[in-house]
Amino acid sequence: DAGVIQSPRHEVTEMGQEVTLRCKPISGHNSLFWYRQTMMRGLELLIYFNNNVPIDDSGMPEDRFSAKMPNASFSTLKIQPSEPRDSAVYFCASSLDGVGEYGYTFGSGTRLTVV
Amino acid sequence: GDSVTQMEGPVTLSEEAFLTINCTYTATGYPSLFWYVQYPGEGLQLLLKATKADDKGSNKGFEATYRKETTSFHLEKGSVQVSDSAVYFCALTSGTYKYIFGTGTRLKVLA
Repeated sequence: DAGVIQSPRHEVTEMGQEVTLRCKPISGHNSLFWYRQTMMRGLELLIYFNNNVPIDDSGMPEDRFSAKMPNASFSTLKIQPSEPRDSAVYFCASSLDGVGEYGYTFGSGTRLTVV
Repeated sequence: GDSVTQMEGPVTLSEEAFLTINCTYTATGYPSLFWYVQYPGEGLQLLLKATKADDKGSNKGFEATYRKETTSFHLEKGSVQVSDSAVYFCALTSGTYKYIFGTGTRLKVLA
């Protein structure tokens, strides 16, 4: 199994531009999570999908952020327009269930820099 | 609400030294407890877990015991290697999808 695959690994963009981060979860996992990691705030849960349906998006910072999961094998996190304070590492994770008992499998992350 | 408290880092050890990273938690009910490890430039990896009191999770020489009486889940390893240098996160979940992560403890092992 290739694990959770994220792309791109690094993204540098100018303020105001649209940014799209991509994630392919592990086949058979029905839960998908987007996290943001910064030195100041640590790991923050942005959004949780179960069976492709958004269950909890209370962690999405503001309307500039949106996430979709059109099918079981693909999800996107979009920031439009991007701002320098969005600079962080964004992780996608998937899990066999939504209860967390089996643990999450994280991707390698996308390091976003907004200048 | 639920919370996880980890010892402040960084922790710097010589190779073959004994490692302890403290983790205590506050939770209603009976949470499951986890240790994750993050190597430089990578995502978090599940290291070990315990789902009920007195369970011991173990993996790659690391161990942690779920202590309900002290609400602790300390990570230990008898002899660390340079390759163990990473950031370690303690986490809990109380039967929902929401993980509560600690702030992470950076470990640096010197040859």
